[in-house]
Amino acid sequence: NAGVTQTPKFQVLKTGQSMTLQCAQDMNHNSMYWYRQDPGMGLRLIYYSASEGTTDKGEVPNGYNVSRLNKREFSLRLESAAPSQTSVYFCASTRGGSELFFGSGTQLSVL
Amino acid sequence: ELKVEQNPLFLSMQEGKNYTIYCNYSTTSDRLYWYRQDPGKSLESLFVLLSNGAVKQEGRLMASLDTKARLSTLHITAAVHDLSATYFCAVGIQGAQKLVFGQGTRLTINP
Repeated sequence: NAGVTQTPKFQVLKTGQSMTLQCAQDMNHNSMYWYRQDPGMGLRLIYYSASEGTTDKGEVPNGYNVSRLNKREFSLRLESAAPSQTSVYFCASTRGGSELFFGSGTQLSVL
Repeated sequence: ELKVEQNPLFLSMQEGKNYTIYCNYSTTSDRLYWYRQDPGKSLESLFVLLSNGAVKQEGRLMASLDTKARLSTLHITAAVHDLSATYFCAVGIQGAQKLVFGQGTRLTINP
């Protein structure tokens, strides 16, 4: 089973460039999430989608946009990348009210 | 606002010893999770705790939950090197489909 698939695994951007991180899950989960992980700060929620057609802000949404394209896919877009967005990004999904299943992560560097 | 605090943040211990990681949270929650993360890898679910007094064990790891004290513990018995990793607790916001993570505890087990 593929589980949660994120692409790309690595990305280097220049300040001001845009990009979209893709996430897809094949577990028929309703809820999907984007987290960022920075050293010493645990994981911080950027945006989440409790169900298809809905999205909500998390703790650190500024500078990001999301799209829940369908039940399987949830993308994260950086419109104008900044060095402060250098981080490891994780997508996750859950059936709802239960444990999260995580993707393998995207390591993003913004120069 | 739900806050989740783990301690210690760093723990170096010898094989064969016992130790406990603590996870405190600030407001009422209806679920708590423990995750493991190896360097450069994604997060792996260890335990799901859903009720006061819940205790779960897997090998040398045992997790418990006291919802009245807003405290969960992860106890390591007779540590072995393979348990070296970063451990996160995550707390569910009651009535909401999202989790707040602690900062993580980096555990190093020395021979």
